[in-house]
Amino acid sequence: ILNVEQSPQSLHVQEGDSTNFTCSFPSSNFYALHWYRWETAKSPEALFVMTLNGDEKKKGRISATLNTKEGYSYLYIKGSQPEDSATYLCAFSNSGYALNFGKGTSLLVTP
Amino acid sequence: DGGITQSPKYLFRKEGQNVTLSCEQNLNHDAMYWYRQDPGQGLRLIYYSQIVNDFQKGDIAEGYSVSREKKESFPLTVTSAQKNPTAFYLCASSLVGADTQYFGPGTRLTVL
Repeated sequence: ILNVEQSPQSLHVQEGDSTNFTCSFPSSNFYALHWYRWETAKSPEALFVMTLNGDEKKKGRISATLNTKEGYSYLYIKGSQPEDSATYLCAFSNSGYALNFGKGTSLLVTP
Repeated sequence: DGGITQSPKYLFRKEGQNVTLSCEQNLNHDAMYWYRQDPGQGLRLIYYSQIVNDFQKGDIAEGYSVSREKKESFPLTVTSAQKNPTAFYLCASSLVGADTQYFGPGTRLTVL
């Protein structure tokens, strides 16, 4: 089992705050790093897939960076909104066949 | 309307009974996956299949079985050998191996 660590475990911010989370993964045999958003009562939804060291992806107010040499990825949310409240999962693959998920960071954004 | 369906949403079974969870996709994806989630845990991989009539064990396959007779379907059987089957089960699919995965709504299994 590959160890994928996410921090913090949970986060509570005010509307308008910017925030970021960390995902740490094994730095050897890297294939891909995924970020998913999982809202309550819904299915996990893909945000980003990153495959190259130095990759930066952006979707609206959410962006992600990747450092495969040191084994970490950051997810940033600029100007958090209540609708951003969700659990954010990262998943690592070293094989191209399956993903290993972290436990997630639970974000609560209050007005 | 393409997607992944899982049924039922809630399932209750008596201890010692086998139970089969359904997962169907109409996305024409080759790869399908089963995950289990327990409180405070991440998604843990039970089984995955890259192609019809082939599947591999994930990290926690003991007490589970699967079949992949059709591209669209990947049912999971929770057998009586699974020591602690009460959990939330998610099915997913992707075009190929570690590509973006699309998830179903999940089945919450409670064994009484």
